[in-house]
Amino acid sequence: GQQVMQIPQYQHVQEGEDFTTYCNSSTTLSNIQWYKQRPGGHPVFLIQLVKSGEVKKQKRLTFQFGEAKKNSSLHITATQTTDVGTYFCAGGGGGTSYGKLTFGQGTILTVHP
Amino acid sequence: DGGITQSPKYLFRKEGQNVTLSCEQNLNHDAMYWYRQDPGQGLRLIYYSQIVNDFQKGDIAEGYSVSREKKESFPLTVTSAQKNPTAFYLCASSTTEYSNQPQHFGDGTRLSIL
Repeated sequence: GQQVMQIPQYQHVQEGEDFTTYCNSSTTLSNIQWYKQRPGGHPVFLIQLVKSGEVKKQKRLTFQFGEAKKNSSLHITATQTTDVGTYFCAGGGGGTSYGKLTFGQGTILTVHP
Repeated sequence: DGGITQSPKYLFRKEGQNVTLSCEQNLNHDAMYWYRQDPGQGLRLIYYSQIVNDFQKGDIAEGYSVSREKKESFPLTVTSAQKNPTAFYLCASSTTEYSNQPQHFGDGTRLSIL
């Protein structure tokens, strides 16, 4: 079945440093979504990428979808303590897996002030 | 406010006991999902339903059962056959306007074995 791998598992940064997490799928994806889960909370949708090579920005966050639609990345510029949490990518397979998402293991981000 | 309500927040299960986790949504979403989250792991899909009276197994359905008798409700039963039930359980919902709509999550239920 479809597998989505996410690295790194943990990332510790000083406030103001940049952060990147990477996501790779074993199969071509119809779309990829990114979620953030604050400590003790539930995942919250951030963004969805659908097109090959797509790049989207949300303030300090930049999301990319690979040309082959098998990989994606999330980059945060100048991290702040409010960025703390676990970031998940989730790939959609389309076709017979309509509606299903396969989540990566997540990257736990800690930011030291 | 529209949203997803999961209850209880914490649940304890005795050996050999079935327990049911509640999930209710007032977002008028057709699709609902149950995930299991273990420390250091992503969300793993247990069951999902795209329409009332229909549901499909996810990747880790063994030891779990669901029903979808109403659009708003998608309860999950953790049966005694699930030998390692301790985890954080998350319910989600989405529209089905087109494939892979963003999912909205409830606050989760933490299940532990006594």
